[in-house]
Amino acid sequence: DGGITQSPKYLFRKEGQNVTLSCEQNLNHDAMYWYRQDPGQGLRLIYYSQIVNDFQKGDIAEGYSVSREKKESFPLTVTSAQKNPTAFYLCASSNPDRGTGDTQYFGPGTRLTVL
Amino acid sequence: DQQVKQNSPSLSVQEGRISILNCDYTNSMFDYFLWYKKYPAEGPTFLISISSIKDKNEDGRFTVFLNKSAKHLSLHIVPSQPGDSAVYFCAARYGNKLVFGAGTILRVKS
Repeated sequence: DGGITQSPKYLFRKEGQNVTLSCEQNLNHDAMYWYRQDPGQGLRLIYYSQIVNDFQKGDIAEGYSVSREKKESFPLTVTSAQKNPTAFYLCASSNPDRGTGDTQYFGPGTRLTVL
Repeated sequence: DQQVKQNSPSLSVQEGRISILNCDYTNSMFDYFLWYKKYPAEGPTFLISISSIKDKNEDGRFTVFLNKSAKHLSLHIVPSQPGDSAVYFCAARYGNKLVFGAGTILRVKS
């Protein structure tokens, strides 16, 4: 089945440690995105990538880094510089199509908790 | 600066009745609007979208209405079912990005 996978589902990290969240898609989508969701808030864009080897900062990129070496993979690293990393992280992908609104399809998410 | 607002944090509706979820936006450059449904601890799933050049789009029990002059859109679910209970996010497209509202929790009572 085609889809987006994120691993792990739950992740715990100690303060001061970097951690990498995985996102893989087999939908052959060109664009991929990372969001975080906090209680009572909408999804906020961290980073996005329209093509391989290229990515742009979203609205809250500070303390995060990404890479896009392969079309199907877009890992997100939460660094120790991120002040409040505990959140639910969502990865999405889309095939840019101006005619259909670039519908983004989401993975199941990773819940990161900093201890 | 919240460009997309969902002013009702929650909504409770009786099974079989209509659910109306509302969304307001401020940026007139948004060219597409989307609704997503989300269950706890899962990723959002796409429901329905509408282009800014249209005022209505329908898909089964779901209809989205767009009022550009008021910068307002709404999602109608008829009839509502208990399985519709979830968080609903409104999103608007600008350039290569989507801007999301904070979500509305819908509870459908049986």
